[in-house]
Amino acid sequence: GAGVSQTPSNKVTEKGKYVELRCDPISGHTALYWYRQSLGQGPEFLIYFQGTGAADDSGLPNDRFFAVRPEGSVSTLKIQRTERGDSAVYLCASSPLGVWEKLFFGSGTQLSVL
Amino acid sequence: DQQVKQNSPSLSVQEGRISILNCDYTNSMFDYFLWYKKYPAEGPTFLISISSIKDKNEDGRFTVFLNKSAKHLSLHIVPSQPGDSAVYFCAASHSNYQLIWGAGTKLIIKP
Repeated sequence: GAGVSQTPSNKVTEKGKYVELRCDPISGHTALYWYRQSLGQGPEFLIYFQGTGAADDSGLPNDRFFAVRPEGSVSTLKIQRTERGDSAVYLCASSPLGVWEKLFFGSGTQLSVL
Repeated sequence: DQQVKQNSPSLSVQEGRISILNCDYTNSMFDYFLWYKKYPAEGPTFLISISSIKDKNEDGRFTVFLNKSAKHLSLHIVPSQPGDSAVYFCAASHSNYQLIWGAGTKLIIKP
């Protein structure tokens, strides 16, 4: 596919469980971003990758959240010991090198923590 | 503290008329502003942007106006079409990837 792909589209889990959310960016896009959107709010920045390394993880809310991008393409956002407050849509975006303003977003993963 | 505010949760406009979506910001250090559009079950898509050195940027039916003294920007859509029905997000930046987003305005275009 030509766009950013996120899987799963929906994830329901129980409080305290571990979840992984996957993002497959547009081929050739070196920059990858994770955002979180809570109900009734705009997206909130979580982390930015340039290539394989996390260039900026200042938006991660706490140490339960971690993201990797080992080969500079697919990224996984990992959430440990999930809490009900983690329920949100997790959006992934990618962009070409140096083009930060025009992000290409995936459809998101709706995470529900029961 | 919300640095970017979209005070109208929704807006209804007749097809063919002008749609005006508003956005206010508090941080005078923002120097780049963007509008994204979002359809249900899809991610946001980039629409138009403006640098703080300009006060207007136009792209087809879409024009963004920036009033730095009032810390206010607006998106004008003329003429409005049914396909414009979506949620519109305003975002601001310090010329880097960390976009600060408003809560969005749902635009409904009535036939």
